[in-house]
Parts: sequence; C-alpha cells; structure tokens
Amino acid sequence: DGGITQSPKYLFRKEGQNVTLSCEQNLNHDAMYWYRQDPGQGLRLIYYSQIVNDFQKGDIAEGYSVSREKKESFPLTVTSAQKNPTAFYLCASSKVRATPNNEQFFGPGTRLTVL
Amino acid sequence: AQSVTQPDIHITVSEGASLELRCNYSYGATPYLFWYVQSPGQGLQLLLKYFSGDTLVQGIKGFEAEFKRSQSSFNLRKPSVHWSDAAEYFCAVGVTNAGKSTFGDGTTLTVKP
Repeated sequence: DGGITQSPKYLFRKEGQNVTLSCEQNLNHDAMYWYRQDPGQGLRLIYYSQIVNDFQKGDIAEGYSVSREKKESFPLTVTSAQKNPTAFYLCASSKVRATPNNEQFFGPGTRLTVL
Repeated sequence: AQSVTQPDIHITVSEGASLELRCNYSYGATPYLFWYVQSPGQGLQLLLKYFSGDTLVQGIKGFEAEFKRSQSSFNLRKPSVHWSDAAEYFCAVGVTNAGKSTFGDGTTLTVKP
C-alpha cells in the first residue's frame, strides 16, 4: 500500500543535540512538506520541497534544516538552535507541485520531546 | 496574504445530533478549500475538497461542506454525529503558485453519549 511513513513515532533529545526526523513516501508525489503542531496553534509550515534538490522555507524555518536528495525522502533536522523544539511533527506530500488544488497526504507524525 | 479562521476552538455535541463546524477564509483569488480530520496522536486525513462547480461537496464518513463566496465561508456539516467522529478538524485553503496550503487552528469535536 502506498503512503507516508515517519520514524520514529516518539523521540527524546537532550538539550543541545541535533536530531533528524525521517519521512518517506512511496506515492510518487513531487511535493513534500514539514509541519509543526503545538496545542491550540494548528499546523505551522516549517519547510517544503516541490522537486528534488530544491526546498523553500516556510513560516517557522529558524532552527530547522532539510534535504531532498531523493524524491521519496525529505528528512528534517531539528538543530540545537531551535529554542523550543518539543512538539508534534507532521510530514506530508502532494502529487502536483506549484498548484493550489492538490490535497496533502499526511504521515502519522513524530512526537519530539526535549529533556 | 491568505488566512483561514475557525472561530470555534471546541465544540461538544450529543451523539445523533447534527454538526456544523465553521470556516472562514481570506484569499484574493479563487479559493481551493479543504477539510481534514485528525484523530489524537495521528496524522491528518482529507474529508473533502472544493475547487469549482457545485458549491455543496460531499466527502467521506457522511460529511459535506458548502462553499459560500459571498460569506467567504466553507462550513462542514454532518446530519448525525457518531461517537467515532470525535477528533480535531482543520480547514485549509490552497495557495496559488506555491503548491502549499494554509491551515486554520482547528476545532476539537467532543461527542457526548
């Protein structure tokens, strides 16, 4: 079955450490997205990529980095520069890039906790 | 810039009662509108979408939504709520030329037995 996988489901990190969240899709989608979700704040876009080897900052990119070396993969690194990284992180993909009428397919999420 | 407002943070309805979740958008061009549902600790799932044509759209799980351009609204409805509908619901608007969407802050639905 096609879909999006995120790993791990739960992640714990010590302050000052970088951590990478995995996102893989086998839907052959062009575009991929990373969102952060905090209680009462909905989804905030961190980064998105419309094509391999290209990505754009979203609304809250500071303290995060991404890469898009393969169409299927869009890992997110939460760096030590992110002041408040504890959150639920969602990865999504959509079939067609650069159009507004494309629904997004979401992974199950990774809950990151900084100890 | 585009924006989406979901005025109700939390709604409680009795099982079997009707439901309406409100969504207002601000967008200069023709809007592409979506409703998603999220169960606790899970990702989002698309319920329905509107691009053009008939302003009343049908979705999965018995949900429907009506687009009203004059009111800049895209409210989600269900005639009879089931306990399994308890979840968080997000309205979103597609952004032209960027392939991305702007999401509202969500409405949490609680269903009373």
